[in-house]
Amino acid sequence: EDKVVQSPLSLVVHEGDTVTLNCSYEVTNFRSLLWYKQEKKAPTFLFMLTSSGIEKKSGRLSSILDKKELFSILNITATQTGDSAIYLCAVAKTSGTYKYIFGTGTRLKVLA
Amino acid sequence: DAGVIQSPRHEVTEMGQEVTLRCKPISGHDYLFWYRQTMMRGLELLIYFNNNVPIDDSGMPEDRFSAKMPNASFSTLKIQPSEPRDSAVYFCASSPFGEETQYFGPGTRLLVL
Repeated sequence: EDKVVQSPLSLVVHEGDTVTLNCSYEVTNFRSLLWYKQEKKAPTFLFMLTSSGIEKKSGRLSSILDKKELFSILNITATQTGDSAIYLCAVAKTSGTYKYIFGTGTRLKVLA
Repeated sequence: DAGVIQSPRHEVTEMGQEVTLRCKPISGHDYLFWYRQTMMRGLELLIYFNNNVPIDDSGMPEDRFSAKMPNASFSTLKIQPSEPRDSAVYFCASSPFGEETQYFGPGTRLLVL
């Protein structure tokens, strides 16, 4: 059965800290891995990773994929209270279906 | 563009009632996805459509759930009869191509008493 596991489940840090969120997967016919940020409402897209070892970066956020070890990390440096959210990892499959398999997310709270 | 539009935003109903959730995807997007999110199971894909045709409904929990997409700008997810365990947030998402990022609507928070 396809599986996406995120850790930790929740995390509380102070402003300015650096955090690393983990996503491991066991999925047949892997195509890509995506990170989403979910605040109060809908998930919003952060990154899509398809190639191993290539870092994607956007401001204080960065992410990298390791297709050999089947995991990805999302780093947030110099955290701010606005980073408080649930971070979701999803894996997209190939083979004729565009089904995304989501992890249960990491709930991050950044304290002022 | 207004983004993906869902209605209602909140729904409270009693067990046994029929519930209909509605979604308008972003214009020009060929793919539409229905998800359910709960604390226990996270975000689960229920069904997705390509050009109004259901492609994968393997995530639909049981016969009480049905989804339709009569045209490119409208889809419904129906639960009949509803049960308390159906209480969740239901998201609709669309994408221009299946492998591109998906754009989520604001969700419908459903509570079945």
